[in-house]
Amino acid sequence: QQQVKQSPQSLIVQKGGISIINCAYENTAFDYFPWYQQFPGKGPALLIAIRPDVSEKKEGRFTISFNKSAKQFSLHIMDSQPGDSATYFCAASGVGSGNTGKLIFGQGTTLQVKP
Amino acid sequence: DTEVTQTPKHLVMGMTNKKSLKCEQHMGHRAMYWYKQKAKKPPELMFVYSYEKLSINESVPSRFSPECPNSSLLNLHLHALQPEDSALYLCASSLDRSQPQHFGDGTRLSIL
Repeated sequence: QQQVKQSPQSLIVQKGGISIINCAYENTAFDYFPWYQQFPGKGPALLIAIRPDVSEKKEGRFTISFNKSAKQFSLHIMDSQPGDSATYFCAASGVGSGNTGKLIFGQGTTLQVKP
Repeated sequence: DTEVTQTPKHLVMGMTNKKSLKCEQHMGHRAMYWYKQKAKKPPELMFVYSYEKLSINESVPSRFSPECPNSSLLNLHLHALQPEDSALYLCASSLDRSQPQHFGDGTRLSIL
């Protein structure tokens, strides 16, 4: 019930293409879904986040799509650039983790954008 | 540059040593977190402090001892660590436990 499943594990996209990473959760009490971007040797950086009252949120080239009934959410990176090459983690939190602040992370996706 | 500052960036210690990791933020955040991250894995929560009080200990071995001396500072005291404790130790903070968490760049710890 506390799991967040993330796919794919790795992704190779050509420059200018769309990168899509998917996550699925089980606990319907989760109410906060962030995405983090992590470069080698750095900590995770908050990229974009969504709450269940909206189905989509866009910030620049990054969009989260949220499907509450399917308990799924995804990250779309439009016009992918080599500088986007990093590991991406989805996460879930909120009431579903007891309002403790605990983030339940997916296993991560390593994205490589080829020039 | 992140607004959560962690020192040192790298630490090598023997199994009998005592050392401390330090985390500092000046964003007025009242929740602070320690995570452990192994290579190619997601961060794993260790401890949560809320308003300078320990609110979560994720069954972490006692060789890890957290401390929150004030609202801006978080320490992790290390003693008698094992080789499997080698990892990236990340600190994060948030306005409160319901708000987005912001991570530091971590301390890379190696146990000989």
